[in-house]
Amino acid sequence: GAVVSQHPSRVICKSGTSVKIECRSLDFQATTMFWYRQFPKQSLMLMATSNEGSKATYEQGVEKDKFLINHASLTLSTLTVTSAHPEDSSFYICSATASDGTDTQYFGPGTRLTVL
Amino acid sequence: GQSLEQPSEVTAVEGAIVQINCTYQTSGFYGLSWYQQHDGGAPTFLSYNGLDGLEETGRFSSFLSRSDSYGYLLLQELQMKDSASYFCAVNNQGGKLIFGQGTELSVKP
Repeated sequence: GAVVSQHPSRVICKSGTSVKIECRSLDFQATTMFWYRQFPKQSLMLMATSNEGSKATYEQGVEKDKFLINHASLTLSTLTVTSAHPEDSSFYICSATASDGTDTQYFGPGTRLTVL
Repeated sequence: GQSLEQPSEVTAVEGAIVQINCTYQTSGFYGLSWYQQHDGGAPTFLSYNGLDGLEETGRFSSFLSRSDSYGYLLLQELQMKDSASYFCAVNNQGGKLIFGQGTELSVKP
């Protein structure tokens, strides 16, 4: 149980284009999902908290107009990187909190974004 | 401010025991979690301490001392497949996780 999927696993795009990443909880409902970014050999940095049916809460320094988050259902959250630039190239990982009372976060497999 | 400190890298041999320490200084604290991440993969949950003391899960154990703002992950009977990065993370308000910089564990034959 508690499986989280992400799609796509890898994406290469041209500078200036937008990229959408999906995060799904496959066997549980997640009222809260989180989006992280991880640069090579570095830690996971929380970008935003995604709550079903309401606006996402962004961490300090994260541009909400550049990283659009939508949490339309209890099993799906999407992150759209708008007008991507090479410095946005990173590993984007989502997580979802299982509603089992432990607040354990289960992570998706990540999406490797490369902006040319 | 929020900060977590853990060693950047640790090397050990197969069959050995290794301890990865984590000290933290955060504005909120609900517990300490540990995650394992293999190169290019997703973090996988290992252990959680909400209260002081030792939690044991198979070959992995985790300890927390809230008064010392300190915890550790203990890995026993090391195997080659345990080579990975290990992150401590503070569970904060709203279910957020604040991650340490990670410890790269290399297990040698």
